[in-house]
Amino acid sequence: DGGITQSPKYLFRKEGQNVTLSCEQNLNHDAMYWYRQDPGQGLRLIYYSQIVNDFQKGDIAEGYSVSREKKESFPLTVTSAQKNPTAFYLCASSIAKGTEQFFGPGTRLTVL
Amino acid sequence: KNEVEQSPQNLTAQEGEFITINCSYSVGISALHWLQQHPGGGIVSLFMLSSGKKKHGRLIATINIQEKHSSLHITASHPRDSAVYICAADMYSGGGADGLTFGKGTHLIIQP
Repeated sequence: DGGITQSPKYLFRKEGQNVTLSCEQNLNHDAMYWYRQDPGQGLRLIYYSQIVNDFQKGDIAEGYSVSREKKESFPLTVTSAQKNPTAFYLCASSIAKGTEQFFGPGTRLTVL
Repeated sequence: KNEVEQSPQNLTAQEGEFITINCSYSVGISALHWLQQHPGGGIVSLFMLSSGKKKHGRLIATINIQEKHSSLHITASHPRDSAVYICAADMYSGGGADGLTFGKGTHLIIQP
């Protein structure tokens, strides 16, 4: 089955710890994206990557880092510099920029 | 910066009713997406359109580029249509992030 997987579904971390969220796709898509969703707000773009070994900051990149060493994988690290990390994180991919995006199931991160 | 506004924020209707959700945006876009988010959080892409109208089953999406407005219609609504419906605008390339700008969503409940 082709699709996007995110793991884990729920993640708990102590304040001050870095945590890495996984995103994998087997759709052979070049572009991948990370979004954050908070209650009552629309999704906001954290980082995106149009191609392997390249990525760009989105609207709310501060406190986050990413890597794109493989086409299939786009992990997101939430660092201790992110002031309010508790949120729902969604990964997406598309064939190329400007095309339909396909979303993963999301990871709900809670920082205690 | 593009702003995406949706209305209504919340909508409760009876099974069988015709549903309309509206989306307006403030700057030129290359495409508009309609997404569906179920309670578990996963997001499914319903439509991506840049002009005219698209239909898939009981769902119809329209866009008026001149008026910067799009609508999502559901005919013969059913309780399984209950979800959050999100519109998202894809800005013209040439600057800025390549991710989407999202509305805050319309929470739809269809009662039997």
